[in-house]
Amino acid sequence: AQSVTQLDSHVSVSEGTPVLLRCNYSSSYSPSLFWYVQHPNKGLQLLLKYTSAATLVKGINGFEAEFKKSETSFHLTKPSAHMSDAAEYFCVVTLSWGGATNKLIFGTGTLLAVQP
Amino acid sequence: GAVVSQHPSWVICKSGTSVKIECRSLDFQATTMFWYRQFPKQSLMLMATSNEGSKATYEQGVEKDKFLINHASLTLSTLTVTSAHPEDSSFYICSARDPQGGPYEQYFGPGTRLTVT
Repeated sequence: AQSVTQLDSHVSVSEGTPVLLRCNYSSSYSPSLFWYVQHPNKGLQLLLKYTSAATLVKGINGFEAEFKKSETSFHLTKPSAHMSDAAEYFCVVTLSWGGATNKLIFGTGTLLAVQP
Repeated sequence: GAVVSQHPSWVICKSGTSVKIECRSLDFQATTMFWYRQFPKQSLMLMATSNEGSKATYEQGVEKDKFLINHASLTLSTLTVTSAHPEDSSFYICSARDPQGGPYEQYFGPGTRLTVT
């Protein structure tokens, strides 16, 4: 069965410093992986996705993630944090075999705080 | 980009009453919509998958008679919490697939916070 583990429930960084949000996955099949961001009172927004193409995936707002099969990881990074990056981040794996209905399995989330 | 709305954004109801939450895809037709539940400081848990014109598929442990889902049109799905109890208090989020988009992408609504007193 597919699952994701977000290793940190809270991460705090200073503005302008790098961001690292960790995610490990478990999947019996080749997974598709995503990072979503949830700002207060707003819907979840897709940051980036890995779907068996390039292992280094670039997303919006300067975020990127690298799929490492040997480590079963899909960590999210950003070189320089901005105050607007403060939000909840979810690592997500699909439960899908290419069908039209794709279930998303969410991690427990990482709350990113950015200090001025 | 694809936009999904939910109404209401916040609702308080008394124990034993029913409440309906609407999920609309505003600029695309969604053949499939999903309903999630999120407890405070916890992750999203899929409750059910809703396909237009057919019965919803519920996840294990979700009571289909308590959480009634209707997907009567390509732009609207509703979740009705029947005979609500305080333990039903939660944040309910819907999402929708755009058939014109990628096979894995879901667009999420802003959520509805339900408080049952």
